[in-house]
Amino acid sequence: GNSVTQMEGPVTLSEEAFLTINCTYTATGYPSLFWYVQYPGEGLQLLLKATKADDKGSNKGFEATYRKETTSFHLEKGSVQVSDSAVYFCALGENSGYALNFGKGTSLLVTP
Amino acid sequence: DADVTQTPRNRITKTGKRIMLECSQTKGHDRMYWYRQDPGLGLRLIYYSFDVKDINKGEISDGYSVSRQAQAKFSLSLESAIPNQTALYFCATSDARTGFMREQFFGPGTRLTVL
Repeated sequence: GNSVTQMEGPVTLSEEAFLTINCTYTATGYPSLFWYVQYPGEGLQLLLKATKADDKGSNKGFEATYRKETTSFHLEKGSVQVSDSAVYFCALGENSGYALNFGKGTSLLVTP
Repeated sequence: DADVTQTPRNRITKTGKRIMLECSQTKGHDRMYWYRQDPGLGLRLIYYSFDVKDINKGEISDGYSVSRQAQAKFSLSLESAIPNQTALYFCATSDARTGFMREQFFGPGTRLTVL
């Protein structure tokens, strides 16, 4: 079956540090991949997505590249801000499927 | 106004009580979902619905039931709440157009505590 594995948190960084959150997946087909962000007390918001191999999703300074050869979709940001403190979820969806499979989430805390 | 709304936002109840969580959406999407979120477990799918007459169980449907009253409304019920149903519950919607898997849009969540 499909599954998503994320690096465990919490991740604590200083402001302006480089961020990487690892995500790898297992899928039977060719899924679409997503990163969602959950700010404290809020629901999940789509951060970025990629629908096929080698696609790069980007938004708000975050980037992730769909790597079929390594079955990965790592999230990166060159310079994090305190406002990026949140929980980040990697997810996949089979194009013939019915729902998304989510990773367990990675909590990020950025300190001034 | 929010596209996906959930009521109530917080609820505390007692073991054995019947609880209904409601979800409404103005996005015009056909597909609606209920998830629960527990610390360290991510999101798990409870039920999903592709239209008013198409309702399906997810991976953790035991102890829950749903009703799709209209395209825009999808309710989750706990017939007899138990403490291990204490969690954060999310409703989500997505577009049913064919092609690659579409992203889901989430409501703000309902925090349910069962004592």
